[in-house]
Amino acid sequence: QVQLVESGGGLVKPGGSLRLSCAASGFTFSDYYMSWIRQAPGKGLEWVSYISSSGSTIYYADSVKGRFTISRDNAKNSLYLQMNSLRAEDTAVYYCARVIAAAEAFDYWGQGTLVTVSS
Amino acid sequence: SYVLTQPPSVSVAPGKTARITCGGNNIGSKSVHWYQQKPGQAPVLVIYYDSDRPSGIPERFSGSNSGNTATLTISRVEAGDEADYYCQVWDSSSDHPVVFGGGTKLTVL
Repeated sequence: QVQLVESGGGLVKPGGSLRLSCAASGFTFSDYYMSWIRQAPGKGLEWVSYISSSGSTIYYADSVKGRFTISRDNAKNSLYLQMNSLRAEDTAVYYCARVIAAAEAFDYWGQGTLVTVSS
Repeated sequence: SYVLTQPPSVSVAPGKTARITCGGNNIGSKSVHWYQQKPGQAPVLVIYYDSDRPSGIPERFSGSNSGNTATLTISRVEAGDEADYYCQVWDSSSDHPVVFGGGTKLTVL
């Protein structure tokens, strides 16, 4: 069965960095576009970034552009999010999600990993 | 950038029909997807391509999309349907193309 497991969250000071990972299993990872989506405490869903199956096409939300970098390693069935220059407003649960081809909807989500940016 | 507008809350009695709207400029020309999120859990896709249901989603969940409004309809509402619901589209004209609505809290009375 499809599984997405995020890791790497934690407490970090403003201006610090963190790298999130998402381990995928149960499907051919290299066939699917993937995305990161976050949710601040008590708030709605906010899309963060998106990467094509080969990694050649990448999009970012304006709120993270220039600070976050999405990447993937298809040989390791893994998705990553490098987060630099973190701010308090980046505090959220970060989900990785699989994209349904052509529909641009997210059919499987991980359980999420919490990132807290605080001094 | 494209904006999706949802009512913050909708209330419905058990056994009745709940309708959650998602407004956007000419949203009928886009494909709309809907997610259910229960407290402490990850979102679950309940409708994609306006009206398709993923496997495992009850037939009580349906969707429609026309003009400036998309609608998620939940028939014969059960207590277990109480959750937050989010609509989402892909805005192909943008370089930040994924857009979520603000979410609607469905309360089962």
